[in-house]
Amino acid sequence: EIVLTQSPATLSLSPGDRATLSCRASQSIGSDLVWYLQKPGQVPRLLLYDTSKRATGIPARFSGSGSGTDFTLTISSLEPEDFAVYYCQQRRQWPLTFGGGTKVEIK
Amino acid sequence: EVQLVESGGGLAQPGRSLRLSCVASGFNFDDYAMHWVRQRPGKGLEWVSGITWNSGSVGYADSVKGRFTISRDNTKNSLYLDMNSLRVDDTALYYCVKPLEVWFREGPFDPWGQGTLVTVSS
Repeated sequence: EIVLTQSPATLSLSPGDRATLSCRASQSIGSDLVWYLQKPGQVPRLLLYDTSKRATGIPARFSGSGSGTDFTLTISSLEPEDFAVYYCQQRRQWPLTFGGGTKVEIK
Repeated sequence: EVQLVESGGGLAQPGRSLRLSCVASGFNFDDYAMHWVRQRPGKGLEWVSGITWNSGSVGYADSVKGRFTISRDNTKNSLYLDMNSLRVDDTALYYCVKPLEVWFREGPFDPWGQGTLVTVSS
């Protein structure tokens, strides 16, 4: 099973700040990494797939990078609606796995 | 519009069984692999099980292997999860999810259903 480790667990930032979230895989997954965000009481929403491809309707302030085992989600300038929990997921092999999540909270 | 509507959740005692269903609409259901993902209260996301378009291949998380069975009926646009020998730690919101495109067997998942809540308690 591929283990995904997200860091930090919590990120305390202000609107307008740059956010950098990390996801590390226990073995190489190429570029088969997905990011979701989940707001309180809501269903998870697809953000990025194949490391860096934005899903429909996702603004350009969200970007992804990395390959192999180390991946980064960057939010260039936080908007109020971006404060949420972010999860990474590997789609390289079954069993599919998610990271434990990073909560981006208002400082 | 793609819709995934789960049902079948509820309260069950440890050791008992439940069957979850997901009815899909708005896309060619029989072209897509489908999956179940769960979220325990206040916790993160956990992939539970997946099934290919023709049921030719299925997969399970280690935590449910041997207890849960995924299946589908393409004539009814429906996905199922038979949950046996339920444990307290199976308590979670269970989401039915669809891959973004036909060729994305393992995700990304979009959209997600609203989920059905399973509570296992004596």
